[in-house]
Amino acid sequence: GDSVTQMEGPVTLSEEAFLTINCTYTATGYPSLFWYVQYPGEGLQLLLKATKADDKGSNKGFEATYRKETTSFHLEKGSVQVSDSAVYFCALSVSETSGSRLTFGEGTQLTVNP
Amino acid sequence: GAVVSQHPSRVICKSGTSVKIECRSLDFQATTMFWYRQFPKQSLMLMATSNEGSKATYEQGVEKDKFLINHASLTLSTLTVTSAHPEDSSFYICSARGSGKGRETQYFGPGTRLLVL
Repeated sequence: GDSVTQMEGPVTLSEEAFLTINCTYTATGYPSLFWYVQYPGEGLQLLLKATKADDKGSNKGFEATYRKETTSFHLEKGSVQVSDSAVYFCALSVSETSGSRLTFGEGTQLTVNP
Repeated sequence: GAVVSQHPSRVICKSGTSVKIECRSLDFQATTMFWYRQFPKQSLMLMATSNEGSKATYEQGVEKDKFLINHASLTLSTLTVTSAHPEDSSFYICSARGSGKGRETQYFGPGTRLLVL
């Protein structure tokens, strides 16, 4: 079945540090890949997405590239801010086999200290 | 991006009562809505998928008679937790997706925190 594996957290960084959160997946079919962010006490917000191999999603300084050869979709940001502190979820969706239901990773807690 | 709202954002109820949570897509027509449950510090667990005008499809282990889902229109789905008990206390999140281009993307509501006393 489809699955998503994220690097274990929590991750703690200082402001302006470089961020990488690893995400790998297994899927039948051709998945679309997503990063969602959840701020404390809130629902999930779509951060970025990529729908086919080699696509790069980007938003708010975050980037992730859909790597089919390594089945990865790692999230990166060059300089994190305190306001980036949140839980980040990697997810995939395969329309053909699952009706676009999302399969989530376990989430990675990020804390950015001033 | 698309906007999905949930109401109420927080509810406290007594054991044995029923609670209804609404999920609305505000600026698009949601052909499919999803209901998730999230426990503290955990990922989201899909409870059910509902398509407008048809019965919801429940995930294995989710009691359909306890968690009633109605998707009566293209902008509204409701989740009713019937005869709620303390173990039903959780964070409930809905999401919605439209049809056509971009339908692979789900847009999430802000969540409803349920506390059953």
